[in-house]
Amino acid sequence: EVQLVESGGGLVQPGGSLRLSCAASGFRFSSYWMSWVRQAPGKGLEWVASIKEDEGEKFYVGPVKGRFTGSRDNAENTLYLQMNSLRTEDTAIYYCARLEVARRGRFDYWGQGTLVTVSS
Amino acid sequence: DIQMTQSPSSLSASVGDSVTITCRASQRIENYVNWYQQKPGKAPKLLIYAASSLQSGVPSRFSGSGFGTDFTLTITSLQPEDFASYYCHQTYSTSYTFGQGTKLEIK
Repeated sequence: EVQLVESGGGLVQPGGSLRLSCAASGFRFSSYWMSWVRQAPGKGLEWVASIKEDEGEKFYVGPVKGRFTGSRDNAENTLYLQMNSLRTEDTAIYYCARLEVARRGRFDYWGQGTLVTVSS
Repeated sequence: DIQMTQSPSSLSASVGDSVTITCRASQRIENYVNWYQQKPGKAPKLLIYAASSLQSGVPSRFSGSGFGTDFTLTITSLQPEDFASYYCHQTYSTSYTFGQGTKLEIK
C-alpha cells in the first residue's frame, strides 16, 4: 500500500525557516517524481514544487522560487521541502504527492498534509 | 502560466441528479487534464486523468471529457458521498496549475 506521511509543520515567524519531510513507503520511491502542493485555509490547491527521481530537475511555482528548495533522499525514501524567508502568505497545509508522469502526468497518491502557519 | 478557469464555483444538487463541472484552459493543452475530489479535512483524491481516463477504484458514475481548451467532469446519479469539492489540474506545462475549485453541496 502506498503511503505518504508529512511532518515538520508548525508555527513560524515571518522571515523564519522550516523544513518539511515526507516519508514514503509501499512503492519504489527512487523511480518517481515527487511534488509538493499547498492549500491556504479555505482556499484552493496550489502546486509548489516537483523534484525528479534523481534530483536532476526541479521546478517551482513563481512565488516560492529562490526561497524554497525541494530535495530527496532515495536511500531513506524521504522527500523534503526547505522553506526559507517565510511569508504570511505561505500559511497553508502542505501535501506531498507522488507524480506519475506516464500518460500526461497526474498526482496519484497524496499524504495527509502538514500545516504551516506563518505569523508573528 | 496556464490559467484554468473552473465553473461553477459552487453547485447545489440532490442525490440521484447528474452534474457537470467545466474547466477552460487559457491555451490549448491537448488532454493534459486531471480531476480531483476533496472532502473537508482530507487530501485530494484523483478521479480522472488524461482528461477521460478513470483512475482505478473510482466509480463509473464519474467521467471526464475534453481536448484542447475545454474540459468537463460529469457525475451521474449523485451519491451522498459525492458532495465535496472538485478541482481540475493541468500538466501540459511544468508549471502546474489548478482550477479554483467547485463546491458541490446537497440541495
